[in-house]
Amino acid sequence: DTGVSQDPRHKITKRGQNVTFRCDPISEHNRLYWYRQTLGQGPEFLTYFQNEAQLEKSRLLSDRFSAERPKGSFSTLEIQRTEQGDSAMYLCASSLFGPNTGELFFGEGSRLTVL
Amino acid sequence: AQTVTQSQPEMSVQEAETVTLSCTYDTSESDYYLFWYKQPPSRQMILVIRQEAYKQQNATENRFSVNFQKAAKSFSLKISDSQLGDAAMYFCAFPNTGTASKLTFGTGTRLQVTL
Repeated sequence: DTGVSQDPRHKITKRGQNVTFRCDPISEHNRLYWYRQTLGQGPEFLTYFQNEAQLEKSRLLSDRFSAERPKGSFSTLEIQRTEQGDSAMYLCASSLFGPNTGELFFGEGSRLTVL
Repeated sequence: AQTVTQSQPEMSVQEAETVTLSCTYDTSESDYYLFWYKQPPSRQMILVIRQEAYKQQNATENRFSVNFQKAAKSFSLKISDSQLGDAAMYFCAFPNTGTASKLTFGTGTRLQVTL
């Protein structure tokens, strides 16, 4: 399978703990995106990488959130000191071209539940 | 700021019938793309169809077509000969111009397909 893969698919944690999600994009895609999706809502943009450079961050991405894409391949999204409001599906997507014209390829998401 | 509105939280269609999902958007741009994405239960989001605003002809992909009315800023999705596999959340999406990275999604329409 050469699609976008995300790990873990589900994570249950206690409030205050740190969690990390990993995304492996399609190998030839240089653009990588993180979105957050809560129940009954559409995905909301969090951050964007072109190769290893993080070029844009949403105001939704508080200082407890950090994303990296070392070497321009896989990416990690870490949430420190989790809060119940962080419970959501975290979606990763990759693309060859920008979203103005090109298709985003999504992973199946990592569902976070904060107790 | 660009906005995307889907006013139908849920729709239902009988198998083999036709259904239309609505989407309106707001932008000051003259040239842009619009997208419909499908998110099946517990599966990744995939692109259904894409429309270029400067093209007067409505896009068509097999059983999926759009009714694009640029002046009215309306972008509806028509699904013909509905199949059980069409059951999913459908999101209208619009790229935020001024940034190379952000795709704004509507709140989605949940489509049920009944026998």
